[in-house]
Amino acid sequence: QKEVEQDPGPLSVPEGAIVSLNCTYSNSAFQYFMWYRQYSRKGPELLMYTYSSGNKEDGRFTAQVDKSSKYISLFIRDSQPSDSATYLCAMIQGSRLTFGEGTQLTVNP
Amino acid sequence: DVKVTQSSRYLVKRTGEKVFLECVQDMDHENMFWYRQDPGLGLRLIYFSYDVKMKEKGDIPEGYSVSREKKERFSLILESASTNQTSMYLCASSSRPALLAGLVYGYTFGSGTRLTVV
Repeated sequence: QKEVEQDPGPLSVPEGAIVSLNCTYSNSAFQYFMWYRQYSRKGPELLMYTYSSGNKEDGRFTAQVDKSSKYISLFIRDSQPSDSATYLCAMIQGSRLTFGEGTQLTVNP
Repeated sequence: DVKVTQSSRYLVKRTGEKVFLECVQDMDHENMFWYRQDPGLGLRLIYFSYDVKMKEKGDIPEGYSVSREKKERFSLILESASTNQTSMYLCASSSRPALLAGLVYGYTFGSGTRLTVV
C-alpha cells in the first residue's frame, strides 16, 4: 500500500469553478503537509504547507488537513486558466518528503 | 533568483550506455535529492544526500548510483542504461533541517531532465 494516495484525475473544470484536490495517507508520523504545483515542462514548486488539523488560507487557495481521518485537501476558488497544472500533495517525516502521484488539472476559459 | 540547475533538458541514450545526470544548486543547501517522475507513479525517490560525500538510498535505487564531491553538485549515474529507465528525472535541494522553528523549507526543484533510452 502506498503511504500517500492521490486522485490522479485528470480533472477538467470551467473557469470560475471551485476545485477540490484530495490525498489520503497511512503514516501517522507525517508532520507537515504540503501542496506543490507543477506546470508543464517545469519542476514542482511549493504552493502551501500546513501542520495542524484545520484550514489554512492563502488568496484563492485553502489547504485543509484532517489528521484523525488522515485526509488532506486543497481547494481553489474562482479557478483560472493559469491554475492549469499538476498538483502534488507531499508529506514530511524528518527531512524526507513523500509525494502523491499528482492530479492534472485543466481550467477551461 | 535561487536555482537548481539540471545540465540537460532532453537526453537520448542507447541501452547499455553509462549516463551522467548533473545537478547544481546555488543556495548552499545541505540536502540534495534525485527523483524520477512517471505517469501513474508520481515522484519516486532514487537517492539523497545530506552532506558532501554522503549518500542514502531512496525507494528505488537499483540501477543507479550517485556522487556528491562538492556541496553544490549532485550527480546521478545510470551504470548501464536500460529502456525501463526512460523517465523524467528531477533534482531537488533543501536546507537542513527541513523543519525549523515551525517553518517549512520546501524543496526547490530543477526543471527536470527527460531521458529516453533506446
